[in-house]
Amino acid sequence: DGGITQSPKYLFRKEGQNVTLSCEQNLNHDAMYWYRQDPGQGLRLIYYSQIVNDFQKGDIAEGYSVSREKKESFPLTVTSAQKNPTAFYLCASSISGQPDSPLHFGNGTRLTVT
Amino acid sequence: QKEVEQDPGPLSVPEGAIVSLNCTYSNSAFQYFMWYRQYSRKGPELLMYTYSSGNKEDGRFTAQVDKSSKYISLFIRDSQPSDSATYLCAMSGNQFYFGTGTSLTVIP
Repeated sequence: DGGITQSPKYLFRKEGQNVTLSCEQNLNHDAMYWYRQDPGQGLRLIYYSQIVNDFQKGDIAEGYSVSREKKESFPLTVTSAQKNPTAFYLCASSISGQPDSPLHFGNGTRLTVT
Repeated sequence: QKEVEQDPGPLSVPEGAIVSLNCTYSNSAFQYFMWYRQYSRKGPELLMYTYSSGNKEDGRFTAQVDKSSKYISLFIRDSQPSDSATYLCAMSGNQFYFGTGTSLTVIP
């Protein structure tokens, strides 16, 4: 079955530690995205990538980093510089990255930092 | 002003009712409109995707877009307990914009 796999489902870290969230897709989509979801807020874009080895900052990129070394993989690192890292993180992909290409989401990683 | 406004609810209806979910938006450049369903602790699932004004039907779901009023709706007919979820509207221009979601509970 084609889809987007995010792992792990739950992640717990101590403050001051970097943590990397995994996202893999087998849909052969060109574009991949990371969003953050907090209660009462819409999805907020962290980073996106339309092609391998290229990515752009979204609206809330500070404290996060990404890489896109392979078409199917787009890992997100939450660094210790991110002030409020506890959230539900969603990875998405789309065929082309153009506005007419809807997003398809994974099932998320819930990160808790204490 | 937010790009997309969506009433968070919560909305509670009896099984079999018709549900109406709505979003308004401010940017007239938006051309593509989507509805997602999100179950608790899961990612959003694409339900409906429409382009420009008009209606689109898929089974019990109907998506409606009124670009002149900057208003989109999702109607659910014969609602089922399995429809209980949070519904997110989304639209795209140069990027995607999401509503905050409406929480729906269908009571058996």
